[in-house]
Amino acid sequence: QQKVQQSPESLTVSEGAMASLNCTFSDGTSNNFRWYRQHSAKGLEVLVSIFSDGEKEEGRFTAHLNRANLHVSLHIREPQPSDSAVYLCAVKNNYAQGLTFGLGTRVSVFP
Amino acid sequence: EAAVTQSPRSKVAVTGGKVTLSCHQTNNHDYMYWYRQDTGHGLRLIHYSYVADSTEKGDIPDGYKASRPSQENFSLILELASLSQTAVYFCASSDRGQDTQYFGPGTRLLVL
Repeated sequence: QQKVQQSPESLTVSEGAMASLNCTFSDGTSNNFRWYRQHSAKGLEVLVSIFSDGEKEEGRFTAHLNRANLHVSLHIREPQPSDSAVYLCAVKNNYAQGLTFGLGTRVSVFP
Repeated sequence: EAAVTQSPRSKVAVTGGKVTLSCHQTNNHDYMYWYRQDTGHGLRLIHYSYVADSTEKGDIPDGYKASRPSQENFSLILELASLSQTAVYFCASSDRGQDTQYFGPGTRLLVL
């Protein structure tokens, strides 16, 4: 069964600095990854999807995938206080429908 | 305008009672999903559906039923609510199984 782990659990960054989040997964055949953002008491907002090794950029959000290392990361360029939220890594399961989520990284951005 | 809506947004239920959570999507998507979110577990898939009048079990279906009466509507039913079912429930939809899932705002359920 797919296992998804995220690090760090929480991250505090200054406005304008780069924020980097990590996600490891257990099934090396996976090829469908998404990063979601969840503001407090709100639903999930998809930020970026990536399906092959390398880099995918969506505005200030960039995902990097390295399937050999079972690793996908998210980088937030010039974070703003409004980016303060929980960021969730989600991996599409090959064996069934649905996504497997990590527990999330709580990001706090201070001016 | 929100494409996936859920009702109610919060609910308090008694142990042993019946609870129905509703989800409505205007995305014209074939797939719909129900997840629960708990501290320490993240989001886990309960049931999903890829066509009206048919539902499939997800990873944690025990204690839950689902109903898909139309493409737009997907309900989650707790016939006998238990304390362990206290959680936040999210509905999502996607065009196909591999596509991005779009989530509703969630329903906070407290079972007493």
